[in-house]
Amino acid sequence: KNEVEQSPQNLTAQEGEFITINCSYSVGISALHWLQQHPGGGIVSLFMLSSGKKKHGRLIATINIQEKHSSLHITASHPRDSAVYICAAASNTGNQFYFGTGTSLTVIP
Amino acid sequence: KAGVTQTPRYLIKTRGQQVTLSCSPISGHRSVSWYQQTPGQGLQFLFEYFSETQRNKGNFPGRFSGRQFSNSRSEMNVSTLELGDSALYLCASSLATGEVYEQYFGPGTRLTVT
Repeated sequence: KNEVEQSPQNLTAQEGEFITINCSYSVGISALHWLQQHPGGGIVSLFMLSSGKKKHGRLIATINIQEKHSSLHITASHPRDSAVYICAAASNTGNQFYFGTGTSLTVIP
Repeated sequence: KAGVTQTPRYLIKTRGQQVTLSCSPISGHRSVSWYQQTPGQGLQFLFEYFSETQRNKGNFPGRFSGRQFSNSRSEMNVSTLELGDSALYLCASSLATGEVYEQYFGPGTRLTVT
């Protein structure tokens, strides 16, 4: 069983649509990270959350610690948002990350 | 400020050989973590170094090792390479150790073992 589960695995959206990617985790965490990986491998850290909600431009990340669930939302999606989005749970028992398998997002113009 | 750099970017090795990968963190960052990414397993944590000490280690065999130098640069070594070691190896640096510090990823080294 994976410590971190993401859904959906693949997502295709029309430009302008509102997108939600979900992440559930089963381990105790001190922080949850959302990462973006573009084709070619480069990874960018989008958010690091330990509670509540964070917003950066069109991206919003929320976390519910009691339910062990986090969501990444993209408002007014754009083709340049096409990438793989990865949820990573930072364990509270040591410096270790558990990764989701990623959500591959394609935004069509 | 320069980002995290990794060298080499691409590498082809033969089974049984050993390989050393290098990671230079962002200036001022003292923590370096290493990850392996494969199509089958996704991203997996290898180990983290902080102030030249290994802080934590993932579930990988002893063939995978690393070290960190006094300037925070880190190297990762894989001995007796196996075909399954073919992967993208990513390093990430952060200001300090601890889960609340944001990680900045390098571009990765793509290792192919034939």
